[in-house]
Amino acid sequence: GQNIDQPTEMTATEGAIVQINCTYQTSGFNGLFWYQQHAGEAPTFLSYNVLDGLEEKGRFSSFLSRSKGYSYLLLKELQMKDSASYLCAAQNQAGTALIFGKGTTLSVSS
Amino acid sequence: DVKVTQSSRYLVKRTGEKVFLECVQDMDHENMFWYRQDPGLGLRLIYFSYDVKMKEKGDIPEGYSVSREKKERFSLILESASTNQTSMYLCASSNAGLSYEQYFGPGTRLTVT
Repeated sequence: GQNIDQPTEMTATEGAIVQINCTYQTSGFNGLFWYQQHAGEAPTFLSYNVLDGLEEKGRFSSFLSRSKGYSYLLLKELQMKDSASYLCAAQNQAGTALIFGKGTTLSVSS
Repeated sequence: DVKVTQSSRYLVKRTGEKVFLECVQDMDHENMFWYRQDPGLGLRLIYFSYDVKMKEKGDIPEGYSVSREKKERFSLILESASTNQTSMYLCASSNAGLSYEQYFGPGTRLTVT
């Protein structure tokens, strides 16, 4: 079977650091994507991991452990505009499709 | 900038009607996708296409069909709309290959009454 798990909701305050975890079980796996989706808007690409380890991109970093079926998205120096849903998605082995988790809604307060 | 456009932002249809949702991308992407997004269920893949006239079923193809006659256009068809097809429909496109992200359109909120 295929399953992507991530927490439903998280809260944090401005300036803080938050880590959103994602575990996946898929019949075939190529890589792991993270998307951000603000309310009422389309998802936008944040990061892609294919190798184990940490990928840093400004305030956002993403980590992958293929052997553990685990990824996380790390958001530093949180801003109010980071309030959004964060979607974890596993790419199938052929690279033709993504399996999305249900998303984590992050609320950032002042 | 990559642009993915969808024919309508909001659509209201009656049960039993045939519904067409159109998606156009302007970046010459090989792959195109149709998803639906529902609260508590997340994004679920309905169909995707990796070339003109080619299609593959996703996780929830029942009640839907698709058409890709031109590379830039991917249509989702609801042959006989039902109330359980009330949802947000999102189209996406990407280059072929393993590391390319998908670009999403703004979505069509379809209500079937």
